[in-house]
Amino acid sequence: DVKVTQSSRYLVKRTGEKVFLECVQDMDHENMFWYRQDPGLGLRLIYFSYDVKMKEKGDIPEGYSVSREKKERFSLILESASTNQTSMYLCASSPTGGESGTQYFGPGTRLLVL
Amino acid sequence: QKEVEQDPGPLSVPEGAIVSLNCTYSNSAFQYFMWYRQYSRKGPELLMYTYSSGNKEDGRFTAQVDKSSKYISLFIRDSQPSDSATYLCAMTKMDSSYKLIFGSGTRLLVRP
Repeated sequence: DVKVTQSSRYLVKRTGEKVFLECVQDMDHENMFWYRQDPGLGLRLIYFSYDVKMKEKGDIPEGYSVSREKKERFSLILESASTNQTSMYLCASSPTGGESGTQYFGPGTRLLVL
Repeated sequence: QKEVEQDPGPLSVPEGAIVSLNCTYSNSAFQYFMWYRQYSRKGPELLMYTYSSGNKEDGRFTAQVDKSSKYISLFIRDSQPSDSATYLCAMTKMDSSYKLIFGSGTRLLVRP
């Protein structure tokens, strides 16, 4: 089974703090994704990466950056957390080829910014 | 207008009912269609995957794609309380971006 793990289930941070969210997958997938999920808005893509050190902006990249130094690990960074970044953050991975587009999700990190 | 529309519900049904969940979309380039199930406070898990038009069955679940109407459905037979969750449709084009477009999800409650 594909396993995607996220470093924290719940996080509470203060406005202005730098926040790191870590994601690790164990299936040697090339592609990794970061989403945020908010009520009524569904899942929105923040960034994705299709290879080590490669990244592309998603639909809402403002206020976020990412890092992919190793194939299995994809980090989301909030440079200066703000209250409007309070959300559920979901990491996903997918293989290149195979069932195109199928993504496997981690359990999510609920972030509260005070 | 959103690319993918999904009724948020909630949809409440008695145990044993047949459930129909639906999404409509506007982009005819979508070729791959998925349904994810998300339990409260958990990440989405892949339930069904379909390429292009047609039906696909897996146990109590049937996924249906009608590309001419830009409409996809998920049917759940003999629904169980454990099926209570949010169901998200997702779709993508035949390109290399691997970007999924999600519906906003339908919350389903199956009453014992």
